[in-house]
Amino acid sequence: SQQGEEDPQALSIQEGENATMNCSYKTSINNLQWYRQNSGRGLVHLILIRSNEREKHSGRLRVTLDTSKKSSSLLITASRAADTASYFCATWGKQGAQKLVFGQGTRLTINP
Amino acid sequence: GAGVSQSPRYKVAKRGQDVALRCDPISGHVSLFWYQQALGQGPEFLTYFQNEAQLDKSGLPSDRFFAERPEGSVSTLKIQRTQQEDSAVYLCASSPRQPGGRLSDTQYFGPGTRLTVL
Repeated sequence: SQQGEEDPQALSIQEGENATMNCSYKTSINNLQWYRQNSGRGLVHLILIRSNEREKHSGRLRVTLDTSKKSSSLLITASRAADTASYFCATWGKQGAQKLVFGQGTRLTINP
Repeated sequence: GAGVSQSPRYKVAKRGQDVALRCDPISGHVSLFWYQQALGQGPEFLTYFQNEAQLDKSGLPSDRFFAERPEGSVSTLKIQRTQQEDSAVYLCASSPRQPGGRLSDTQYFGPGTRLTVL
């Protein structure tokens, strides 16, 4: 079974706009990661935020983490057509299990 | 350098056939993971290897699924007597040991094998 939910399930915006995706999870975590998956391709790691961090930036990406609410958000600024993909959050548990637990993903479409 | 590779990229099997899916991790990566991704869903964990040792197989859905990594490098996921519900993309991922010896928690994924069972 999957860790939690992502919201929205699908998002369609115009190129240049910002895109925000949200992720909720259920258990205590060591860290939370975001991955991108282009159609028919494998997942690419975007960014990792640890449980003691609240915000992290990487290029046009901004991730926040609220462990009290068990939620995270991914913001992509100044979106481009190439950002069209599915985005997944994944949690790494605190109990030492060596595995990622993924959400169901947000399908992002950037319209030119 | 080369990333994680998987073969075949596509596999069509008749119900009841056995299939074998191969994963070549990034050279030197200690950890290797298999995930199953159903259409429109996120990946779900199947099994984990550290070198040649299979440390977690809690996600394997039935005893028809078997994975091995005999020399601590290439891994094979075998599915016996395939059923329609096995249709999915099977993803392999690997990760290195960080300087200092701790295992990395960032994973590098292959392109996946899309299995269709008719």
